[in-house]
Order: sequence, then structure tokens, then C-alpha cells
Amino acid sequence: DGGITQSPKYLFRKEGQNVTLSCEQNLNHDAMYWYRQDPGQGLRLIYYSQIVNDFQKGDIAEGYSVSREKKESFPLTVTSAQKNPTAFYLCASSSTGLANYGYTFGSGTRLTVV
Amino acid sequence: AQTVTQSQPEMSVQEAETVTLSCTYDTSENNYYLFWYKQPPSRQMILVIRQEAYKQQNATENRFSVNFQKAAKSFSLKISDSQLGDTAMYFCAFFSLSGGGADGLTFGKGTHLIIQP
Repeated sequence: DGGITQSPKYLFRKEGQNVTLSCEQNLNHDAMYWYRQDPGQGLRLIYYSQIVNDFQKGDIAEGYSVSREKKESFPLTVTSAQKNPTAFYLCASSSTGLANYGYTFGSGTRLTVV
Repeated sequence: AQTVTQSQPEMSVQEAETVTLSCTYDTSENNYYLFWYKQPPSRQMILVIRQEAYKQQNATENRFSVNFQKAAKSFSLKISDSQLGDTAMYFCAFFSLSGGGADGLTFGKGTHLIIQP
């Protein structure tokens, strides 16, 4: 079955460490997105990518980095520059027909700073 | 930039009742789409219903329907015969067609809906 796989489900980071969240899709979708979810804040866009080797900053990109070397993969790195990284992170993808089908979301990664 | 406002942080109703979740948005565009997503305790995001702005007819999916008022920029979700499984966070989302929709969906802050037995 096609879908989006996020891993790991839970991730713990020490102060000053970089960590990478994985997002893989086998839906042949062109566009992929990373959102951050905090209580009472809804979903806020971190980065998005419409094609391989191209990506754009979203509303809260500071302290994060991404790559898009393959169509199927869009990993997110939370760097030490991100001062408050504890949150729930959601990856999503869409085809050019987004308006017909909406996003497909992964199941999320819960990141906690320890 | 578009904004989406959900004015009800939390709502609670009895099972089998009808409940309406409100959503307003701000845009200068004429062509766009609107969505309602459900996020149950599992945190998996699920598409509930969508509405094309150019369509005057309100979208319906089984027990879920919307009241789309384009001039008022309002997009409320009505859940009929509510069930315990409807307990979830509900997010309203806006999709702009300008720029090919490159920057994806803009979400509201969500409404936590609790269905009481």
C-alpha cells in the first residue's frame, strides 16, 4: 500500500545536538512538506519542496534544514540553532492534483529535548 | 498571506447531537480550496471534507457537511449524529491556487471536539 513513513516515532535530543527526522513516500508525489505542531498553535510550515533538488523555506525555517536528493525522501534536520525543538513534527506529500485529494500525512515524530 | 481563524479552542457535545465548528479566513484571492482535517488521539491527520471556492454548492460527506459563505469568508463544519469516534482535533485549512499552490496549505489553530457518552 502506498503511503508516507516517518521515523522514528519518538526521538530524544540532547542540548547542542543535531538530529534528523526521516520522511519517505511511495506515492510518486512531487511535493513534500514539513510541519511543526505545538499545542494551541496548529500546524506551521517549516520547509517544502516541489521537485527534486529544490526546496523553499516556510514560515518557521530558522534552526532547521532539509534536503531533497530523491523524489521519495525529504529528511528534516533539527540543528542546535533551533532553541525550542520539542514538538510534534508532521511530514506530508501531495501530487499536482492536491486540490482533488488533499495532503497525505505521515504518522508524525515526537521530538523531545532532554 | 492568508490567515485561517478557528475561534473555538474546545467544544463538548453529547453523543448523537449535531455540532458546528467555525472557521473564517482572510484572502484577496478568488480561486482557492478549503479543507477540514481531523486529528484523533492517534495524531494521524485525516481529510474530512473539501470545498472548491468556485462551487456554490456546499460539500457533504456522509454525516459531515460544510456551510461555505464566500462573501463572508466563512467555512463552518457541521457534524450530524455525532459519535464517540468523532472526538478529535479539527483543523480548517486554506489552499491558494496562486503560484501553482507551491506553498501548500495554511492551517488554523484547531478546535478540540469532545463527544460525551
